[in-house]
Amino acid sequence: GENVEQHPSTLSVQEGDSAVIKCTYSDSASNYFPWYKQELGKRPQLIIDIRSNVGEKKDQRIAVTLNKTAKHFSLHITETQPEDSAVYFCAVRRAGQNFVFGPGTRLSVLP
Amino acid sequence: NAGVMQNPRHLVRRRGQEARLRCSPMKGHSHVYWYRQLPEEGLKFMVYLQKENIIDESGMPKERFSAEFPKEGPSILRIQQVVRGDSAAYFCASSPVKSDTQYFGPGTRLTVL
Repeated sequence: GENVEQHPSTLSVQEGDSAVIKCTYSDSASNYFPWYKQELGKRPQLIIDIRSNVGEKKDQRIAVTLNKTAKHFSLHITETQPEDSAVYFCAVRRAGQNFVFGPGTRLSVLP
Repeated sequence: NAGVMQNPRHLVRRRGQEARLRCSPMKGHSHVYWYRQLPEEGLKFMVYLQKENIIDESGMPKERFSAEFPKEGPSILRIQQVVRGDSAAYFCASSPVKSDTQYFGPGTRLTVL
């Protein structure tokens, strides 16, 4: 089955710096790659996603890049703010099948 | 358009009792997913359902756990004879037909005493 790894497991950055989180996957047929943000005690919220026919997608301070050949995709957050502090999960999906989530990255943005 | 609803938000059960968790998907969504999340851990897929049909239950323990999504009413995740190890947050998510985008409910936090 699909195996999703996520690195780093924890990340601390200074406010205003950039943060990058990377996920690798094993199933080359996977074609949908979302990122979720989960604050303490809250539900996961979709922040950005990308499909396999696109290499990069950007939404204001958040971007996702996908390398299908190498089977990895990354979340980029620029100009980080304290409210960006949360746990971030990547996920992978093959069409019509279930989602497989990465183990999460705890991001701390230090003021 | 109301979001995904889950109830109860908190549920306390004693060992050996049954737990019933309910999930009402967003209007127009016919696919439901259930996940379990232990403290400080990630989301573990349990089951994927569409109305009156289980699409994938590969993540659900074979014993004591069952799920359904009837033609009318919410999806139900049922845990029989609960044990302390069942204590976790259970999230459901829903998506429309032919869409990958899933929206999560607020979760049910189950505590087994």
